[in-house]
Amino acid sequence: GENVEQHPSTLSVQEGDSAVIKCTYSDSASNYFPWYKQELGKGPQLIIDIRSNVGEKKDQRIAVTLNKTAKHFSLHITETQPEDSAVYFCAAKRENFGNEKLTFGTGTRLTIIP
Amino acid sequence: DAGVIQSPRHEVTEMGQEVTLRCKPISGHNSLFWYRQTMMRGLELLIYFNNNVPIDDSGMPEDRFSAKMPNASFSTLKIQPSEPRDSAVYFCASSLEWVSNQPQHFGDGTRLSIL
Repeated sequence: GENVEQHPSTLSVQEGDSAVIKCTYSDSASNYFPWYKQELGKGPQLIIDIRSNVGEKKDQRIAVTLNKTAKHFSLHITETQPEDSAVYFCAAKRENFGNEKLTFGTGTRLTIIP
Repeated sequence: DAGVIQSPRHEVTEMGQEVTLRCKPISGHNSLFWYRQTMMRGLELLIYFNNNVPIDDSGMPEDRFSAKMPNASFSTLKIQPSEPRDSAVYFCASSLEWVSNQPQHFGDGTRLSIL
């Protein structure tokens, strides 16, 4: 089955700096890669996703890049703000008929230092 | 729009007792997922339904766990009898379709403590 590794497990950056979180996956057939943000006491919330037919996607201060050859994808947050502090999860899924299983990484606790 | 609604938000009970967690998916969504989150194991998929039918329950840890979806707007996850190692946060999520990559929307979870 799919295995997703996520690094680093914790990350502290100064407010205004950029943060990068990296994930690798094992199943070359995976083609959908969402990122979730989980705040304290809340459920994970989708912040951005990317499909394997594109290499990069951007939404304001958040961007995701995908390298299918190397089987890794990354989340980039620019101009970080205190409200970006949370746990971030990457995930991967193969689009097969009837397969809805997302495999999650182990999470990155991001702390923005004011 | 209302998101995924889970109840109760917190549950504390003694081992051996039956525990029932409840979930109301987003209206119109036809896939529903139950996850468990612990520090040791992260986010684990327990079971998922499509059109109220269980599709994959391979993540259900033991026969003590069972899940039902009697209609499109309600699902339960039951643990009987409960054990201290079942303590975790249980999330329900729903999505619109199951054959294309539609995002999963999570509820805020039930924090379960088994004493």
